[in-house]
Amino acid sequence: GAGVSQSPSNKVTEKGKDVELRCDPISGHTALYWYRQSLGQGLEFLIYFQGNSAPDKSGLPSDRFSAERTGGSVSTLTIQRTQQEDSAVYLCASSSGSGTQYNEQFFGPGTRLTVL
Amino acid sequence: AQSVAQPEDQVNVAEGNPLTVKCTYSVSGNPYLFWYVQYPNRGLQFLLKYITGDNLVKGSYGFEAEFNKSQTSFHLKKPSALVSDSALYFCAVRDPHAGNNRKLIWGLGTSLAVNP
Repeated sequence: GAGVSQSPSNKVTEKGKDVELRCDPISGHTALYWYRQSLGQGLEFLIYFQGNSAPDKSGLPSDRFSAERTGGSVSTLTIQRTQQEDSAVYLCASSSGSGTQYNEQFFGPGTRLTVL
Repeated sequence: AQSVAQPEDQVNVAEGNPLTVKCTYSVSGNPYLFWYVQYPNRGLQFLLKYITGDNLVKGSYGFEAEFNKSQTSFHLKKPSALVSDSALYFCAVRDPHAGNNRKLIWGLGTSLAVNP
């Protein structure tokens, strides 16, 4: 079975441009997470989707960041008017929603975003 | 407030020696605890988790971790380190009272270097 996939793997953009990052979770996983990891740093939680519930957006750093998850599967993270400090690796993870609430997260390979 | 601490930014150990990567947490009640590993230029991978039961949890690649409620710790251990264990290790905790929100609280990571 396929794991979590993310595209593009690398994205270089100019300051002020908008970017879209895509995540395809593992089929059947109801929970989806976005994180940001700056060079050599820990994980910064951005947003969490669980089934049809309202997403937990508490980690989004500014209103330039938004995310959606269509049909309970694919998710897109959008960064508007990118800034140099947005440069980081953006990680997506998914986990199953089998009724238990402690299933491990499966991570994608990440999208490395560079804002010039 | 819920939190996770990895008190050591870096751990150095000689190959063949036992290794310990420390993690302490602050969560009300009995936590769900996780260890993840990030190898160079690779995605995050799940290592092991503690939910309930035996305090000693065994995971992938010969790693184990011991849940210590009185010390609120969940240290990662391996009896004999390999050079290939060199990676970034993350501890994470989930508040069991968080309802349907499966969001994890992540430590900042510990860089493990195993020297030949």
